[in-house]
Order: sequence, then structure tokens, then C-alpha cells
Amino acid sequence: EAGVTQSPTHLIKTRGQQVTLRCSPISGHTSVYWYQQALGLGLQFLLWYDEGEERNRGNFPPRFSGRQFPNYSSELNVNALELEDSALYLCASSGGRQRTNWAFFGQGTRLTVV
Amino acid sequence: AQTVTQSQPEMSVQEAETVTLSCTYDTSENNYYLFWYKQPPSRQMILVIRQEAYKQQNATENRFSVNFQKAAKSFSLKISDSQLGDTAMYFCAFMKPSLIQGAQKLVFGQGTRLTINP
Repeated sequence: EAGVTQSPTHLIKTRGQQVTLRCSPISGHTSVYWYQQALGLGLQFLLWYDEGEERNRGNFPPRFSGRQFPNYSSELNVNALELEDSALYLCASSGGRQRTNWAFFGQGTRLTVV
Repeated sequence: AQTVTQSQPEMSVQEAETVTLSCTYDTSENNYYLFWYKQPPSRQMILVIRQEAYKQQNATENRFSVNFQKAAKSFSLKISDSQLGDTAMYFCAFMKPSLIQGAQKLVFGQGTRLTINP
């Protein structure tokens, strides 16, 4: 069974640009979570999507947004990139018919803003 | 709001030794889940073990076990017979299980960097 997959694995962007990160959940999972892991910091909750709807967002500015598609895959968009957006962005999935109460993570996208 | 605290930024032990990682949390909830995740240099976050708060019995997964003290809000991870492959960042996480909007997010501690030396 394929796990959570994220693309791209690495990305370098210039300050002010926009970026889109992608996540495919485990088959059957309906919830997708996005987390930011900045260097030296723990994981900070960004967004939670379930059944195509945004269910909750963390304490991040509106330039962080996303969406979930009918196949439950998800995109995270970051506009007007700032240097402090450099981080590892992790996607996780859970839920589905079994309503698993724990999340499985992808390998992350390393975003560097220069 | 829930908070999770890992008071040991770094730990180092010799291969085959037993090591215990500490985690405390703060919540007013009675029912919740607790997790330990491992993040090796490959960056993949791997679920190590989970504990449901309503279960008094401590969870075990092979060499990994937890000491769950609900009243003390403590959730430590014990790794027995440590192996070189156990070298990683370990994160303790809390989740409140509910279908109420926004309840499914994980709250993570700051992590403990564990090094297993040969």
C-alpha cells in the first residue's frame, strides 16, 4: 500500500514568489493535514482538510492557503514568500471509513526561500 | 489549549542500552490520544506508538513501550535494547479525538534528538 506522497521533495524560491506543494493521502483516507517544521522548531499545525472542506487552520497568515480535491489529494499554496517561510512542510493523512485516529506522514517538501 | 513539553532536547546512549524519553502535556480533556513519532534523517515522520487515554494499560510495540501516568499528565517512551537505527528526532504528540471541527489536529512537543552510539 502506498503511503502519503508529497511533491516536490525540494524547492528553492525567491522572496515574493508563490509556491504550490502537493500531497496525496493514503488510499481511503479523507483527511489531510499540513504542518510546518522550521529549523530548530517543532511541528506547527497549518491546515486541516476533510471531505474537501477546510476544517481548521493554525495561526498562520492568509497567504498560506490550500484546497482538497475530490480524490482527497491536497495542495498547499504560499503567496508572497518570506525568508522565514523556509521550512520542511509535512503532509499527513488519516480518517476514511475506518476513521483511524492517527496520522501517517509523507516525507515532506523542503522549501528554501532566498 | 493543549500543550506538549519535551524537556530533553538531546540524549545519547550506547547501543543495546535502554533509554527513556520524557513527555508531559497539559489538557482539561478526559479522553484523548497520545503518540510518539520518530523522525530519522530521512525526514519521514514515523508513528512509533500510540496510547488511548481511556486505557489504563501501557501500550507496547516490540522494543518500544510507554509509561502513561494520566493523573500526572506524563507520557514517557522507553526504548529497550537500543539500536543504531533508533537514532532520530522523537516527537511526543497529543490529539483530542472528536468529530467537532478542528479537533483532529496533532499538537507536538519540541522533540528530543536521540543518538545511539556504537
